Amino acid sequence: GAGVSQSPSNKVTEKGKDVELRCDPISGHTALYWYRQRLGQGLEFLIYFQGNSAPDKSGLPSDRFSAERTGESVSTLTIQRTQQEDSAVYLCASSLGTGHSTEAFFGQGTRLTVV
Amino acid sequence: AQRVTQPEKLLSVFKGAPVELKCNYSYSGSPELFWYVQYSRQRLQLLLRHISRESIKGFTADLNKGETSFHLKKPFAQEEDSAMYYCALAYNFNKFYFGSGTKLNVKP
Repeated sequence: GAGVSQSPSNKVTEKGKDVELRCDPISGHTALYWYRQRLGQGLEFLIYFQGNSAPDKSGLPSDRFSAERTGESVSTLTIQRTQQEDSAVYLCASSLGTGHSTEAFFGQGTRLTVV
Repeated sequence: AQRVTQPEKLLSVFKGAPVELKCNYSYSGSPELFWYVQYSRQRLQLLLRHISRESIKGFTADLNKGETSFHLKKPFAQEEDSAMYYCALAYNFNKFYFGSGTKLNVKP
């Protein structure tokens, strides 16, 4: 595709349910990032994938959060037993992952609302 | 540890006034710094990067290693500049760390 694609665009879920968010990066981009953006807040780093290296999960807020990526393709972010404080826009970005000054390209985000 | 600080959450200026969005960083290596912008209802996008030393939409940013700063400046703000601005630092093969963002509001 032409850019980073995320689905769904919007998700409303009941507290306690599991949700899965999807990110399709730009073809050929080895680096993939997930960020969380709460209302009125900045970007909060969640997880980083780089090629076949072990992902950097240091930003995941709790063990209810997990993410997977197969090779250099699609990534899914899973939130189990959702809580109201999980409500936010979840942003995915990808970059070439090599060289200097590589631009990160962002998706449009998934707006998650936990009711 | 690497860190990016944007001290102002909101900055309001009048059209035609100069604007400076502050960004300070901490990083032990050689940083690569960027400014990203998010206009209303649009996705986050790159505005400029320090290594290019370019001016985009009238904005410039100079890396000051002595002060560990990368402030974004524009001499004459326009209403269309109203947006959320994020300073970002890239390290370790392009792992990005973003600041908390500054909302710029340019009043007519």
